[in-house]
Amino acid sequence: SQQGEEDPQALSIQEGENATMNCSYKTSINNLQWYRQNSGRGLVHLILIRSNEREKHSGRLRVTLDTSKKSSSLLITASRAADTASYFCATDDRSSNTGKLIFGQGTTLQVKP
Amino acid sequence: DAGVTQSPTHLIKTRGQHVTLRCSPISGHKSVSWYQQVLGQGPQFIFQYYEKEERGRGNFPDRFSARQFPNYSSELNVNALLLGDSALYLCASSLWGNSNQPQHFGDGTRLSIL
Repeated sequence: SQQGEEDPQALSIQEGENATMNCSYKTSINNLQWYRQNSGRGLVHLILIRSNEREKHSGRLRVTLDTSKKSSSLLITASRAADTASYFCATDDRSSNTGKLIFGQGTTLQVKP
Repeated sequence: DAGVTQSPTHLIKTRGQHVTLRCSPISGHKSVSWYQQVLGQGPQFIFQYYEKEERGRGNFPDRFSARQFPNYSSELNVNALLLGDSALYLCASSLWGNSNQPQHFGDGTRLSIL
């Protein structure tokens, strides 16, 4: 079963605007990751944030994590048409000593040129 | 350096058949995981292998099996295929297979069951 939910399910913006996607999860975590998936392709790792971190930046990406609310957000600034993709958050499974990732259902982002 | 490679890219099977999907991890990566992604949903964990041993198994029936070879490549086998097995099957590799590492995904095998 899915760990949590992304919100919104779909987002359409103009090039140059910022895009914010939210992720909620259900169980305690060690870390949370965000991935991007272009249509028909595999997932590409964007950023990993640990449970003791509140915010992390990578280029135009900013991720926040609020473990008290079991939620995370991904902000893409100054969006480009090439950012059009589906975005997934994924959490680890603290109940098992594995690399298992539990994914949300994703947010589909469309950036119009 | 080559990324994670999966073969075949597309496959069409009929109900009741079996299928073998293959994955080559990034050179030096010892862990391989398999995920199933149904259209419109996020990937769901099937298996993880590390150093040829099964480290984790998701909530999938026994029709699904996998193995990892000495060169760290992996196969996913699915027997008695059902219509519901139609999905994109993704392979991911990482150095040590821990959850605090990014996973590197291949482009998947698109399996269609008729």
